[in-house]
Amino acid sequence: AQTVTQSQPEMSVQEAETVTLSCTYDTSESDYYLFWYKQPPSRQMILVIRQEAYKQQNATENRFSVNFQKAAKSFSLKISDSQLGDAAMYFCAYRSWETSGGSNYKLTFGKGTLLTVNP
Amino acid sequence: NAGVTQTPKFRVLKTGQSMTLLCAQDMNHEYMYWYRQDPGMGLRLIHYSVGEGTTAKGEVPDGYNVSRLKKQNFLLGLESAAPSQTSVYFCASSYSREFMNTEAFFGQGTRLTVV
Repeated sequence: AQTVTQSQPEMSVQEAETVTLSCTYDTSESDYYLFWYKQPPSRQMILVIRQEAYKQQNATENRFSVNFQKAAKSFSLKISDSQLGDAAMYFCAYRSWETSGGSNYKLTFGKGTLLTVNP
Repeated sequence: NAGVTQTPKFRVLKTGQSMTLLCAQDMNHEYMYWYRQDPGMGLRLIHYSVGEGTTAKGEVPDGYNVSRLKKQNFLLGLESAAPSQTSVYFCASSYSREFMNTEAFFGQGTRLTVV
């Protein structure tokens, strides 16, 4: 079974600075998807960024980018020019692409990293 | 376009009472999920469904039942609530693997307290 590990329960960053959140995962599959979700105090789960494992290029969405290291099974999220509105819980998630065993349906989540942005 | 809607948003139950949480999605997604979120535990999958009329167990299914009689609705039932079921519950839906948009879309969550 796949597992997702976020080793930083809490992180803090100064406004306008850069912060990197770590995520590692364990899988025997070669094709899969990885996601970062943001959960602000409103509780809503918001997709931040998506990475397909078969793509070598790291995904980027405005101030958010990832460092995807497939061999190391690492998927970190970098937030540049941090803003107060970035304060939230961030979850890393894995979704299988494989159809054998019927496991491609679900997302497996890490335990989350609580990000604080200091003014 | 409402996306994924959960009903209710908040609920307090007494131990032993029963209730049903309703999830509705209007995106024609095949897959639907129920997760629970507890502090320090992330999101854990309770049950899921890969299509109308089908359901299956996730990581933490004990004490819960589900039904998916219509493609757009996924119901989560607690037959006899226990304090250990105090949590925030999230419903989510997604397309199957044939679609590139593979991320899950989430409802706004239901905060359930069992006293």
